[in-house]
Amino acid sequence: KNEVEQSPQNLTAQEGEFITINCSYSVGISALHWLQQHPGGGIVSLFMLSSGKKKHGRLIATINIQEKHSSLHITASHPRDSAVYICAVGSSNYQLIWGAGTKLIIKP
Amino acid sequence: KAGVTQTPRYLIKTRGQQVTLSCSPISGHRSVSWYQQTPGQGLQFLFEYFSETQRNKGNFPGRFSGRQFSNSRSEMNVSTLELGDSALYLCASSLLTGPGELFFGEGSRLTVL
Repeated sequence: KNEVEQSPQNLTAQEGEFITINCSYSVGISALHWLQQHPGGGIVSLFMLSSGKKKHGRLIATINIQEKHSSLHITASHPRDSAVYICAVGSSNYQLIWGAGTKLIIKP
Repeated sequence: KAGVTQTPRYLIKTRGQQVTLSCSPISGHRSVSWYQQTPGQGLQFLFEYFSETQRNKGNFPGRFSGRQFSNSRSEMNVSTLELGDSALYLCASSLLTGPGELFFGEGSRLTVL
């Protein structure tokens, strides 16, 4: 079993839909990162959180430390949100353990 | 403020050759970490440097090495290239070591023939 599991692996939705991507982990963490990777490779850090909830525009990230689970939500999804979303957890020695990513396609 | 710069962006090598990739972090950032991304394996951590010292190392063979200079620029080297080394190599910089926001470069895409 991987230490960081993301679900779903692939997600296709219509423009405007509410999107949820999940991340479960089995190790003790110092922080959890959500990142976005567009075709071509560039990775952008969306959130880094260790408790509670963070919001940036249409993106919301939550984390439940007790349940070792985090979710990334996208409200009013748009085709430009199409990307791979990656969850990564910082372990006790700060080394990042990466999820496999969720490929999101938003159709107009 | 300039972002993280990786060079070269694309390169093609043959088996047995060696390659050096460069990463210039955001000005003021002292931590640089390197990752390998392949379609089958996803992102894999290679190593992290902070103030010219390797702080963490992933599970890669000794053919993969790196270093960091006093200006925080980092290089990684892969010797005796194998076909399986074909990948996107990404570097990320952060202000300090430890849990902090990461800023990624565009990556260096290596193809080994």
